[in-house]
Amino acid sequence: DGGITQSPKYLFRKEGQNVTLSCEQNLNHDAMYWYRQDPGQGLRLIYYSQIVNDFQKGDIAEGYSVSREKKESFPLTVTSAQKNPTAFYLCASSSERTLPQHFGDGTRLSIL
Amino acid sequence: RKEVEQDPGPFNVPEGATVAFNCTYSNSASQSFFWYRQDCRKEPKLLMSVYSSGNEDGRFTAQLNRASQYISLLIRDSKLSDSATYLCVVNENSGNTPLVFGKGTRLSVIA
Repeated sequence: DGGITQSPKYLFRKEGQNVTLSCEQNLNHDAMYWYRQDPGQGLRLIYYSQIVNDFQKGDIAEGYSVSREKKESFPLTVTSAQKNPTAFYLCASSSERTLPQHFGDGTRLSIL
Repeated sequence: RKEVEQDPGPFNVPEGATVAFNCTYSNSASQSFFWYRQDCRKEPKLLMSVYSSGNEDGRFTAQLNRASQYISLLIRDSKLSDSATYLCVVNENSGNTPLVFGKGTRLSVIA
């Protein structure tokens, strides 16, 4: 089945550690996005990419980094510079033909 | 980035009730509009797009008023399974661009 796969489902980070969240899609979508959701809050955009080898910062990019080396993959690294990383991270993708965005089932990141 | 504002909720309604959610958006140039549903600790899922002429999908009716920058969602004959958070979502640009999400309104349908 076509879809968006995020892994892992749960992730724990130690202080000072970088962690990478995986997002893979087999929908042949051009654009991919990373959002963060805190309890009782809406989704906030971290980074997005509309084409391979290109990406743009969203509203809360500080402390995060991404890469888009392949169309189907858009990993997000939460660096040690992100002082409050505990949140629900959602990856989404879209294409001009199938707007709007569809989401993966998310990764919950917590601090140890 | 502009904002999308929603009723804070929560809305607690009995089964069979009709419930309405309201949403306003601040960017008058916004291009497209959606309602997403998010179950507890799950990802958002598209419920329906919202068109200028209004549109209906079974028990759900969405309306858009561009002049007032106002979007609504009406749920008739509420079911227990409708309990979720409803997110008002706006695309400020055309095409493959990020969406702007409201914080959501939580609905609990009670037997």
